[in-house]
Amino acid sequence: DAEITQSPRHKITETGRQVTLACHQTWNHNNMFWYRQDLGHGLRLIHYSYGVQDTNKGEVSDGYSVSRSNTEDLPLTLESAASSQTSVYFCASSYKPGQGDSVEQFFGPGTRLTVL
Amino acid sequence: AQSVTQPDIHITVSEGASLELRCNYSYGATPYLFWYVQSPGQGLQLLLKYFSGDTLVQGIKGFEAEFKRSQSSFNLRKPSVHWSDAAEYFCAVGRPDSGNTPLVFGKGTRLSVIA
Repeated sequence: DAEITQSPRHKITETGRQVTLACHQTWNHNNMFWYRQDLGHGLRLIHYSYGVQDTNKGEVSDGYSVSRSNTEDLPLTLESAASSQTSVYFCASSYKPGQGDSVEQFFGPGTRLTVL
Repeated sequence: AQSVTQPDIHITVSEGASLELRCNYSYGATPYLFWYVQSPGQGLQLLLKYFSGDTLVQGIKGFEAEFKRSQSSFNLRKPSVHWSDAAEYFCAVGRPDSGNTPLVFGKGTRLSVIA
């Protein structure tokens, strides 16, 4: 079955370190998204991609970067981790309009990141 | 830009009681509408969606939602809540007229179920 996976599921790191969170989907979706979830804020969009070599900033992109070298993967990098980036991170993917019969987003299980 | 409001941060209901979770959106036309559920420690799972047609849509786990254009609402309902329905619920809106844009999510409503 097609799926979307994230790794690691839990990560503890120190302030200032570079961290990369992986996201892999086997749906063949063009669209991929990264969100962070914090109490009181719901889901906030960090970055997204509509296809290979395409990346776009979301509402909370400062301190994060993504790159899309293939359809299946969209890794999220924290260039220099800060305590304010302690959060749960979710990756999602979707068809683009016309690619499939629905534009709903499918979510991964999440990565809990703690920055000490 | 579209926006989504879920007015209730936290709702507590008794097991077996009916449930209605509110969702209001701001958008100039009929949007795509979604309800997602997130159980503790899990990712989000799609409950149901509305694109067009019948304004009452059925989803998984016995949930339904009704699109009301005049009220810009898409409220989620369940006639009899089970303890396993305790979770966080998110309403989301998509823009069918602007091509490929990310969904916008509400801040969520946490549902607690008591015996």
